[in-house]
Amino acid sequence: DGGITQSPKYLFRKEGQNVTLSCEQNLNHDAMYWYRQDPGQGLRLIYYSQIVNDFQKGDIAEGYSVSREKKESFPLTVTSAQKNPTAFYLCASSTRRDRRLAYEQFFGPGTRLTVL
Amino acid sequence: AQTVTQSQPEMSVQEAETVTLSCTYDTSESNYYLFWYKQPPSRQMILVIRQEAYKQQNATENRFSVNFQKAAKSFSLKISDSQLGDTAMYFCAFMKHRSGGTSYGKLTFGQGTILTVHP
Repeated sequence: DGGITQSPKYLFRKEGQNVTLSCEQNLNHDAMYWYRQDPGQGLRLIYYSQIVNDFQKGDIAEGYSVSREKKESFPLTVTSAQKNPTAFYLCASSTRRDRRLAYEQFFGPGTRLTVL
Repeated sequence: AQTVTQSQPEMSVQEAETVTLSCTYDTSESNYYLFWYKQPPSRQMILVIRQEAYKQQNATENRFSVNFQKAAKSFSLKISDSQLGDTAMYFCAFMKHRSGGTSYGKLTFGQGTILTVHP
């Protein structure tokens, strides 16, 4: 079955450590996204990538970094510079190849990051 | 910049009844898309329904329908014959129409409404 996988489901980090969240998709989608979800604030865009080896900052990119070396993969690193990283992180992807799906984003199951 | 506002933090409804969730948005764009996403306790985001701004007809998907008022910048979701499985957080979201063949589309989300369906 095609879909988006995120790992791990739960992640604990000590202050001062960098951690990397995994996002993989086998939908052959071009674009991928990272969102952060906090209580009462909905989802906010961290980074997005339209093609391999290219990515752009979203609304809250400070303290985060990404890479897009393969079409299927878009890992997110939460660095020690991120002041309040405890949140739920969602990865998504989209495609223009199917006109019916051209404006839909498909989401992964998410990773809950907690800073101890 | 676009903003999306959901003024109802929580709603509840009895099973089999109808409930309406409110959403307003602010934009200077004339061509855009609006979405309702559902996030059940599993936290998996699921697209419920979408509306293209250039279409006057309101979108419907089975028990879900919207009331799209473009001039008022309002986009409410009506759930008919509510079921226990409808219990979730519901997010309203906005996306500008994109041109040039790009597959990227930034979603701007509202704060969400927690809907509880009671038996």
